[in-house]
Amino acid sequence: KAGVTQTPRYLIKTRGQQVTLSCSPISGHRSVSWYQQTPGQGLQFLFEYFSETQRNKGNFPGRFSGRQFSNSRSEMNVSTLELGDSALYLCASSFPRGANTGELFFGEGSRLTVL
Amino acid sequence: AQRVTQPEKLLSVFKGAPVELKCNYSYSGSPELFWYVQYSRQRLQLLLRHISRESIKGFTADLNKGETSFHLKKPFAQEEDSAMYYCALRDTNAGKSTFGDGTTLTVKP
Repeated sequence: KAGVTQTPRYLIKTRGQQVTLSCSPISGHRSVSWYQQTPGQGLQFLFEYFSETQRNKGNFPGRFSGRQFSNSRSEMNVSTLELGDSALYLCASSFPRGANTGELFFGEGSRLTVL
Repeated sequence: AQRVTQPEKLLSVFKGAPVELKCNYSYSGSPELFWYVQYSRQRLQLLLRHISRESIKGFTADLNKGETSFHLKKPFAQEEDSAMYYCALRDTNAGKSTFGDGTTLTVKP
């Protein structure tokens, strides 16, 4: 089985621009979560999607948004980028509820640098 | 609100010494707790989960509901154990997982 795939792996943007990151979960996984990883803040939860619906949302400003498609692929968007948005953005997928072991399967991340 | 605390950002031990990575949590329901590990240049991956009560790579972790702790232990650390370790709590109703800030373990030869 292919693992969680995130694209792009690296990107550089300037302040004020917007960015879209993509995540393809493991086949059969319907839950996708997004996390921001920074050296000082650790792993911060952004949001979680299940069957195209946002089920949970972390404490991030409205500039951070996401969506999930019918094939479970997910995208997250950050508008009006700020320097502090520079981070590694991780996507994780998991089994659907009911058969949920609770384990998260992570992608390699998209490293965003804002200049 | 659920919270996970890992009090040590950095932990350094010598090879063969015992190691304990601390994790405390706050959660009003019945918790599901996990330890994830990130080795250098690898993706974050599950190390072990409390419901399995298993030992992985010599590591064990016991859920102590009285002390709201889920400390990770290994009696004899190896150099290949050097990595970043995250404790995580999963909200069983909402499906959301909250992570601690992580502990970087360095095992010296």
